[in-house]
Amino acid sequence: AQSVTQPDIHITVSEGASLELRCNYSYGATPYLFWYVQSPGQGLQLLLKYFSGDTLVQGIKGFEAEFKRSQSSFNLRKPSVHWSDAAEYFCAVSGQGNLIFGKGTKLSVKP
Amino acid sequence: GAVVSQHPSWVICKSGTSVKIECRSLDFQATTMFWYRQFPKQSLMLMATSNEGSKATYEQGVEKDKFLINHASLTLSTLTVTSAHPEDSSFYICSAIAAGGLDGYTFGSGTRLTVV
Repeated sequence: AQSVTQPDIHITVSEGASLELRCNYSYGATPYLFWYVQSPGQGLQLLLKYFSGDTLVQGIKGFEAEFKRSQSSFNLRKPSVHWSDAAEYFCAVSGQGNLIFGKGTKLSVKP
Repeated sequence: GAVVSQHPSWVICKSGTSVKIECRSLDFQATTMFWYRQFPKQSLMLMATSNEGSKATYEQGVEKDKFLINHASLTLSTLTVTSAHPEDSSFYICSAIAAGGLDGYTFGSGTRLTVV
């Protein structure tokens, strides 16, 4: 069965520091992978997605993610975090037409 | 880009009443819409998948008679929570994709339902 694991429930980084959020997936075929961000009480905004091709994917707001098939991972990175990046981040894999989400990682940013 | 409008943003209703939540794709035709439920500080759980003109497919454990889904047109899907109870209080989010699928799933802004 398809599944997504986000090992880190909560991460705190200093503003200006680099960020990496981990995501591991389990999927039998070539996965379609997504990262979404959710601010409190809001819907989800797509940061980036991977379908095929270049394994390093650029997204909005300066985020990027790298697909590593050998590690079944799709980690999200940002070189310099801004206070406005504080939010909940969800990794997702496309299953049989629907999205399967990880449990999310809450990002806190300290000044 | 694709936009999905979800209304209302929040609603408070009395126990035993019904509440309807609308999900509209504003600038594309959504052949498939998804309804998710999110408990506080938890991930999104898929409730059902609806395709225009056909009955929704519900996930295991989701009560079909309580959560009525209607996907009457290519731009509108509705979720009606019938005979709501306090345990139905949650954050409900819809998502839509266009024909041909996976260019991306666009999410609505969610509806906070509180049943008192």
